[in-house]
Amino acid sequence: DVKVTQSSRYLVKRTGEKVFLECVQDMDHENMFWYRQDPGLGLRLIYFSYDVKMKEKGDIPEGYSVSREKKERFSLILESASTNQTSMYLCASSQGDRGLTGELFFGEGSRLTVL
Amino acid sequence: AQRVTQPEKLLSVFKGAPVELKCNYSYSGSPELFWYVQYSRQRLQLLLRHISRESIKGFTADLNKGETSFHLKKPFAQEEDSAMYYCALSNFGNEKLTFGTGTRLTIIP
Repeated sequence: DVKVTQSSRYLVKRTGEKVFLECVQDMDHENMFWYRQDPGLGLRLIYFSYDVKMKEKGDIPEGYSVSREKKERFSLILESASTNQTSMYLCASSQGDRGLTGELFFGEGSRLTVL
Repeated sequence: AQRVTQPEKLLSVFKGAPVELKCNYSYSGSPELFWYVQYSRQRLQLLLRHISRESIKGFTADLNKGETSFHLKKPFAQEEDSAMYYCALSNFGNEKLTFGTGTRLTIIP
């Protein structure tokens, strides 16, 4: 079974703090994604990566950055957290262009509260 | 720009009754459509994709390019179907997905 692990399930941070959300997948997937999930807004793509050291902006990248130094790890960084970044953050991975297009494997989520 | 619309935020259906969750999309290319589901306290997971033309847990979905719709249907709802359902779209061959806002389905015993 594919396993996507998000290191922190619940975080509480203060406005202005730097926040790191870590995600690790154990199936040698090429693609990794960060989404945020908000009631009434669904899932919105923040950043994604198709390869190590490669990143592309999603639909809502403002206020976020990412890092992918190793294939299995994709980190989301909030340089200066703000209250409007309070949300559930979902990491996902997928196999790449090998015929299984579209199946994303998700982590359990990291619920971030910014006070 | 691609967009996925799920017009119902909440849907309640009696057990044994038919279920239809609506999904409409706008995209000018060759779309791939998916349904993802999130059961209580579980991860979001793929339910089905249109290219597979499969039935999963009794659910089916047909891509209607004329109406740009991909509605999810099940003839007889079961209590375990209660969950959050997301419709999603990607460009064929591209694994970047655009999700709808989701529909919370509640099956009434």
